[in-house]
Amino acid sequence: QQQVKQSPQSLIVQKGGISIINCAYENTAFDYFPWYQQFPGKGPALLIAIRPDVSEKKEGRFTISFNKSAKQFSLHIMDSQPGDSATYFCAASTAGYQKVTFGTGTKLQVIP
Amino acid sequence: GAVVSQHPSWVICKSGTSVKIECRSLDFQATTMFWYRQFPKQSLMLMATSNEGSKATYEQGVEKDKFLINHASLTLSTLTVTSAHPEDSSFYICSASRSGGTYEQYFGPGTRLTVT
Repeated sequence: QQQVKQSPQSLIVQKGGISIINCAYENTAFDYFPWYQQFPGKGPALLIAIRPDVSEKKEGRFTISFNKSAKQFSLHIMDSQPGDSATYFCAASTAGYQKVTFGTGTKLQVIP
Repeated sequence: GAVVSQHPSWVICKSGTSVKIECRSLDFQATTMFWYRQFPKQSLMLMATSNEGSKATYEQGVEKDKFLINHASLTLSTLTVTSAHPEDSSFYICSASRSGGTYEQYFGPGTRLTVT
């Protein structure tokens, strides 16, 4: 019940295209859903996060869509750039507990 | 703000020796710090949660006698891998959350451990 399932495992997108990564969870106690970006040999960095009281959050080219009833959320990267090539992890955590459960990761490659 | 550093960034040690990894919150006080392990092309796996001044809480399957965690101050936590073996070779990442119970965790840059 603590799992966060993430797909696809890898993704190749043309420059300027839209990258979409999907995640699903089972634990309804989760109430914070961050996305992390990780470059090779580096620690993950918070990209954007959402609480379940909103269905969408946008920051620049990055948008999280959240479907509470389906227990699913997704990351959309608009106008994808080669510099966006990295591994993306969705995650979930619970109020007051702070322990983060990570998805399995998606390796994104944006080709020119 | 909210910078977390790790030292060393990479370390090579011989099998049977111990190695210590430091995690520091540079510009904030961290009540809670977390230690993760990441194998190549895999996700981050939480090893333990440490609160300042108390014993760490280890995840199931993590040997507490092998991975010693100390959180002696609000800005420093250390992970000591004792009697390291080649299978302990991995990327170790710490994270810290601010005092005050916010959700966000701030991650360090990671430490690459290679045991020969």
